[in-house]
Amino acid sequence: DTGVSQDPRHKITKRGQNVTFRCDPISEHNRLYWYRQTLGQGPEFLTYFQNEAQLEKSRLLSDRFSAERPKGSFSTLEIQRTEQGDSAMYLCASSLVSTGVLGSNQPQHFGDGTRLSIL
Amino acid sequence: AQSVAQPEDQVNVAEGNPLTVKCTYSVSGNPYLFWYVQYPNRGLQFLLKYITGDNLVKGSYGFEAEFNKSQTSFHLKKPSALVSDSALYFCAVRDPTGGGNKLTFGTGTQLKVEL
Repeated sequence: DTGVSQDPRHKITKRGQNVTFRCDPISEHNRLYWYRQTLGQGPEFLTYFQNEAQLEKSRLLSDRFSAERPKGSFSTLEIQRTEQGDSAMYLCASSLVSTGVLGSNQPQHFGDGTRLSIL
Repeated sequence: AQSVAQPEDQVNVAEGNPLTVKCTYSVSGNPYLFWYVQYPNRGLQFLLKYITGDNLVKGSYGFEAEFNKSQTSFHLKKPSALVSDSALYFCAVRDPTGGGNKLTFGTGTQLKVEL
C-alpha cells in the first residue's frame, strides 16, 4: 500500500526563482489537498482538487502560486518569483470521497512534504 | 470561521503514566474532529476522528479521544505512555456546513515521554 508521495523532499533556491513541487496521491483517492506549514505552526490550507477540478483556494494562495491536477492523478504546485516568506514545508494530502451520508468524512492522508528554503 | 486551540506547547509525562493532550475548537455547525501526529521531517499521520456517535473514539497505537460538546473540547488520551509516543500532535477541525473541505489545525503540542 503506497502512501502519498512528494518530490522533491528538499528544495533550496535563490529568491526570485521559480519552483515546482509534485505530489502523487494514493491511487484511488479522488481528492487532493495542498497545505503549507511554517516552523512552530500547524499546516494551513492552500487549495484542493476533486479529480482534476480545483474547487477551493485559500487567500494564502497569492497570484504567484498556481496548482494543477491535469488528469486527476498527480498534482503540481508552482511558486513563481519566490520570496523569503515562502520558506516552509509544503504538504500534500489525499482522501477518497464517495457519495452517501459519510462520503466526505474520510481522513486526509499526508505525504512527507517538500521543505522549501529561500536563500 | 472555524478554529482550534491547543493550549499547551509541550506536555511531559513519564513512561507508563497516562497522558492527555488538550484541544478545544470553534465551529458554527457540528464539527468533524481529527488528531494527527508528526515525527521530525515527516508528514502528518492520522490517529483518529470524531464524526458522530459515541463521544469516546479509539484510534491507532492505543490512543483515544473524548468529544465534549458542552466544553467544545476533543482531548487526546492514552492510558500508558511510551517513549516512542514522543512527537508533535495536531488537533484539526472541519466544519461541514460552512468551512468547506479544508482542515483547520491547531499550533501543535510537543509530547515528550521520558523514562
